[in-house]
Amino acid sequence: QVQLQESGPGLVKPSETLSLTCTVSGASVSSGRYYCSWIRQPPGKGLEWIGYIYVSGSTNYNPSLKSRVTISVDTSKNQFSLKLSSVTAADTALYYCARGSWYWGGLNWFDPWGQGTLVTVSS
Amino acid sequence: QSVLTQPPSVSAAPGQKVTISCSGSSSNIGNNYVSWYQQLPGTAPKLLIYENNKRPSGIPDRFSGSKSGTSATLGITGLQTGDEADYYCGTWDSSLSAGWVFGGGTKLTVL
Repeated sequence: QVQLQESGPGLVKPSETLSLTCTVSGASVSSGRYYCSWIRQPPGKGLEWIGYIYVSGSTNYNPSLKSRVTISVDTSKNQFSLKLSSVTAADTALYYCARGSWYWGGLNWFDPWGQGTLVTVSS
Repeated sequence: QSVLTQPPSVSAAPGQKVTISCSGSSSNIGNNYVSWYQQLPGTAPKLLIYENNKRPSGIPDRFSGSKSGTSATLGITGLQTGDEADYYCGTWDSSLSAGWVFGGGTKLTVL
């Protein structure tokens, strides 16, 4: 059974960089079948896709966040990571990692999801 | 404002049926698969329907999905109080700035 677990600081200061890690168990991120994705949810609001990375290193980011986002993968640790720079209060959210599936047209679905980790941006 | 449009809320009595719509365009729903996610209070979203109308293992057949043109619909029959949750549709958007898009979410209340 594949499981994902997010980890990282719960509090980040404005203008600094948010860094989170997703540890995958029950499957290998280098299996080549899945796209390691990040999704966030501001308190009381809906879901927003942040981006994904494929084992080859290929990435795709939400255009609204692209200038500030970096997603990377560490196959030796079976982890993938998110960095979001120059954060503001608007980046306060629950951050989820999820396994994405790909078909010829694009991403297909997300399953499973991690439990999520709350990151608050505040001084 | 979300690329995919969902009603903010729907409600129905236990045992009844409810549908949740998800409206998009030719660059997203019209030419790509739609998936649906259930988010119970205080929990992470869970895949409910994928590739428009397929159910993952363990999802009861009370849940169904369909797609027509640039719209998709989630149906839930035999409503239970445990179905109270937020429901999100999502799909790939193949426009110039290709990426994944979610609907704004629909809060289901079982009266």
